[in-house]
Amino acid sequence: SQQGEEDPQALSIQEGENATMNCSYKTSINNLQWYRQNSGRGLVHLILIRSNEREKHSGRLRVTLDTSKKSSSLLITASRAADTASYFCATVYTGTYKYIFGTGTRLKVLA
Amino acid sequence: DVKVTQSSRYLVKRTGEKVFLECVQDMDHENMFWYRQDPGLGLRLIYFSYDVKMKEKGDIPEGYSVSREKKERFSLILESASTNQTSMYLCASSFGGSQNEQYFGPGTRLTVT
Repeated sequence: SQQGEEDPQALSIQEGENATMNCSYKTSINNLQWYRQNSGRGLVHLILIRSNEREKHSGRLRVTLDTSKKSSSLLITASRAADTASYFCATVYTGTYKYIFGTGTRLKVLA
Repeated sequence: DVKVTQSSRYLVKRTGEKVFLECVQDMDHENMFWYRQDPGLGLRLIYFSYDVKMKEKGDIPEGYSVSREKKERFSLILESASTNQTSMYLCASSFGGSQNEQYFGPGTRLTVT
């Protein structure tokens, strides 16, 4: 399977703490994207990082990409209860249109 | 504001029925996708389409077919529903190419009894 993997599968933190989740993938990619899914709803795009980028920021989100290790991490700083959701990485492999999603990290932020 | 709509939020069908799931996007996107989401398995691509009347198989196309007669509409068809097709079905769309974000619909939770 080409499916990526997220780590950890579940994460529970206190409001105000930082949350880090990781994604690993298998072959060369065009880009890697992170999405959020609130319970029982569709996914919402958070951030895209291209294969020639190493780090990207968007508000309280910081994404890194290490193509030598085929991995990415998403850091959410100063987390809020509203950040409670599942987070998925999606990779687009070189030469394809297909987006391959990971299995997700369930984040719970306790107020 | 981009909108992707799906015809039903919840659907209950019987084994053997033919099921149609409709997806409509209003952003003139070239690409459209159908995924199913199951606990512990994440999202798996069933089919995608990069243009009208064009389609390509994803990772799990067996038991499904699709139709894209108009740019804004992408239909998923379960020819003969089975209980192992009980799942959440998510439609998404994006601009052409492979460098763009996907916009998702709210999902259809299908139960086959």
